[in-house]
Order: sequence, then structure tokens, then C-alpha cells
Amino acid sequence: DIQMTQSPASLSASLGETVTIECLASEDIYSNLAWYQQKPGKSPQLLIYYANSLNDGVPSRFSGSGSGTQYSLKINSLQSEDVSIYFCQQNYDSPFTFGSGTKLEIK
Amino acid sequence: QIQLVQSGPELKKPGESVKISCKASGYTFTDYAMHWVKQAPGKGLKWMGWINTYTGKPTYADDFKGRFVFSLEASASTANLQISNLKNEDTATYFCASDYPRGRVYYFDYWGQGVMVTVSS
Repeated sequence: DIQMTQSPASLSASLGETVTIECLASEDIYSNLAWYQQKPGKSPQLLIYYANSLNDGVPSRFSGSGSGTQYSLKINSLQSEDVSIYFCQQNYDSPFTFGSGTKLEIK
Repeated sequence: QIQLVQSGPELKKPGESVKISCKASGYTFTDYAMHWVKQAPGKGLKWMGWINTYTGKPTYADDFKGRFVFSLEASASTANLQISNLKNEDTATYFCASDYPRGRVYYFDYWGQGVMVTVSS
């Protein structure tokens, strides 16, 4: 199975700041990497697919990058509504594994 | 409007069984696979497997072989997850997720609202 190591586990930042969340795959996943946002008590929402493609309706302050085994999600100009848990997921090979999540809070 | 509406919360005892449902609307059910994802309380997401909604063939991740069964009521655009011989570690929220509209890409635009299954004696 492909292991997805996500960091940091938690993050606190001020409104307007830029934050970055990292995901490291245990092997090359050829950009088959998605990012989700999950708010408390809700289902995950797809933000980014294929490492850097922004899903419809997702604010442009979200962006994804990376290749090979290393990927990142960047959130520019942090807003209060961005408080959530963020997960990466590899969709290269079954089983389609998720990172352990990053809890983002506002300082 | 695409919707995946899941059944309500369940409280079960160890050893019992549970069947939860996921009703899809807004697209042709049999054109897109349905996946299942487990989230234990305060934990991350774990992909359980998927069912081909055209053929009915299920595929299970290794950790979900044996006590877990994916099934369909295709005429009702509904996918089901049955868990038998429930254990405390099955306590979790179970999500269905469709691969509409992209198909076969194994990331998910549309999710159900989740069903909380609590296993407790």
C-alpha cells in the first residue's frame, strides 16, 4: 500500500497569512493527488485534483503543487471560513489512501 | 442537482449487523461507481472499496474483506453497506462517495452526509 505522510498535524495562522500543508507519498504517484477540506460534522469537499487542478467553485486562494512523491497545498490570504481539517489522497493505486489530516485554526 | 443521501445514525451491540444506504439522485446511477469511506471518531479517512453500479461487482480493500458487503438496489439508485458481527472498532462515520462526473479517477466530487454507526454494549 502507498503510505501518505501529511504534515503538519496542526497549524495555527493569522487571518490574511499564507499557509502550506505537505504530503509525502511512499512512492511515485505521478501527480495522482487530491486535496479535500472537511469542516466539523460535514463530509469532505474536493479542493484540488491531479495535484494542481482547482475544482469548480473553489476559491483561487487555494493552490496545489508537486510531483513524484512530494506535494503541497497552499492557502493564500487565510480567511476565517478556511478553519477545517485538510486531507490529501492518492488516487494512483488501490487502496486509495489518505493522509492523516492537518487541522487548521486561526490564531 | 447531484445528491447522495444516506440513512440515519445507528446504535448497535457487538455481534449485531447493520445495513446503511446511500441514495443517489441527479445523474444516471449505473454510469458511475460508488465508493465507501470510513472515518473513526477524531480520525482520518480510510477507503473501504467500491462497487460497480452497472455490474454490481464489489471490490474491497484488504482491511474490509469478510464482514463488509457492498450491494445495490439499482432500480432505486441506492447503494448499501452491510457490516456483520459488529465490533467496537467499527464505531465510525461511513461515507458513500460517487465518482460522478469524471468516472474512474478514484477521487471524489460528491459525498453523502455520512452515517454514524456506534457499536456499544
